[in-house]
Amino acid sequence: SAVISQKPSRDICQRGTSLTIQCQVDSQVTMMFWYRQQPGQSLTLIATANQGSEATYESGFVIDKFPISRPNLTFSTLTVSNMSPEDSSIYLCSDSGTEQETQYFGPGTRLLVL
Amino acid sequence: GNSVTQMEGPVTLSEEAFLTINCTYTATGYPSLFWYVQYPGEGLQLLLKATKADDKGSNKGFEATYRKETTSFHLEKGSVQVSDSAVYFCALLTSGTYKYIFGTGTRLKVLA
Repeated sequence: SAVISQKPSRDICQRGTSLTIQCQVDSQVTMMFWYRQQPGQSLTLIATANQGSEATYESGFVIDKFPISRPNLTFSTLTVSNMSPEDSSIYLCSDSGTEQETQYFGPGTRLLVL
Repeated sequence: GNSVTQMEGPVTLSEEAFLTINCTYTATGYPSLFWYVQYPGEGLQLLLKATKADDKGSNKGFEATYRKETTSFHLEKGSVQVSDSAVYFCALLTSGTYKYIFGTGTRLKVLA
């Protein structure tokens, strides 16, 4: 399985600002995914990031709010734009791994918006 | 649509007790089923998986059997330890897709 790291691990931000979260995989992967885990809730897929094409967003998530970059096969960023307290969550990235169908997750970025 | 239903927590057990966390699913076709674990302050880790009916996934003393007739994938462990305290997520992946459907998670607390 790939080793996935995320930066920052946590942050406290003011409303109206933006934060960019980085996700690094130690091997090349075709697909990377971004999830949100709101306090006490399960995981919700935000979007799929493919290298060389625009990200594919799930219902309820839009590019203006969550722009994503995927410049190469080992790296992706998610920006949380114009933040409000409702954006306080854990944001996790994952990859499709080397085993069929299994996704491996990064440690998450804990975001608190004041 | 596809969905996963987990028993609500928190579940509190004494060390060495038997653990069952129920998970049932609704899905079209033949999904793969997973259990992920999230330890305090950490991301999700794959605990075990099963890709077809009657498969048993196992890891670290945990087991779950893919039961198509009851659409279930219950997680069990014969003797829990304090270090098993975590949140456990059941998830499914429909064949041919990459979109996981996660359950709401079940928090397990094991007391010494």
